[in-house]
Amino acid sequence: QLQLQESGPGLVKPSETLSLTCTVSGGSISSSPYYWGWIRQPPGKGLEWIGYIYYTGSAHYNPSLKSRVTISVDTSKNQFSLKLSSVTAADTAVYYCARTYCSGGSCYDFFEYWGQGTLVTVSS
Amino acid sequence: DIVMTQSPDSLAVSLGERATIDCKSSRSVLYSSNNKNYLAWYQQKPGQPPKLLIYWASTRESGVPDRFSGSGSGTDFTLTISSLQAEDVAVYYCQQYYTTPEYSFGQGTKLEIK
Repeated sequence: QLQLQESGPGLVKPSETLSLTCTVSGGSISSSPYYWGWIRQPPGKGLEWIGYIYYTGSAHYNPSLKSRVTISVDTSKNQFSLKLSSVTAADTAVYYCARTYCSGGSCYDFFEYWGQGTLVTVSS
Repeated sequence: DIVMTQSPDSLAVSLGERATIDCKSSRSVLYSSNNKNYLAWYQQKPGQPPKLLIYWASTRESGVPDRFSGSGSGTDFTLTISSLQAEDVAVYYCQQYYTTPEYSFGQGTKLEIK
């Protein structure tokens, strides 16, 4: 069974860079044709899609966050990562990593597998 | 951008009764080339990640009880729970995956027991 686990600092100072890693187990991150993504959820609020990456390194980002977001992949460690720069209190959220749904060799941009999420608080 | 709007924001239903949640998109998510609606539903229980329930607007994910069903096309969609169980208490979200790469979610509907 595929499992995803987020890790990283739970507290980040304003203006600094938030860095999280998602470790994938029970399957290879290089398995075609899946995309691996990040979604966040501010406390008590709804879901926001951040972006996703293919194992080749091709990434797509939410335009509203694109200037601050970088998603990368490390196939040797079966991990992918999120960096969000110049954070403010508005970036306080539970951050989830997830995998898109694929069937018959085609992938579609909704999420079938999710990590448990990690709360990141932006505060000085 | 496609904006997804759910109604109601919260809902209280008696055990065994029907629950319906609506989701409206600001423009059609029906892809004409394959006649599929690019709309998914998720269930999120407290302290847990979202769980995929339905995709293509009406296809149940494997393992999802058949009391959950999705319907609708174009811009108007509905999630129905035919007979509410205690374990269905959760927040439900719709998501469109029609526009690349701006995949938007609805604001969520909180379902409680009356």
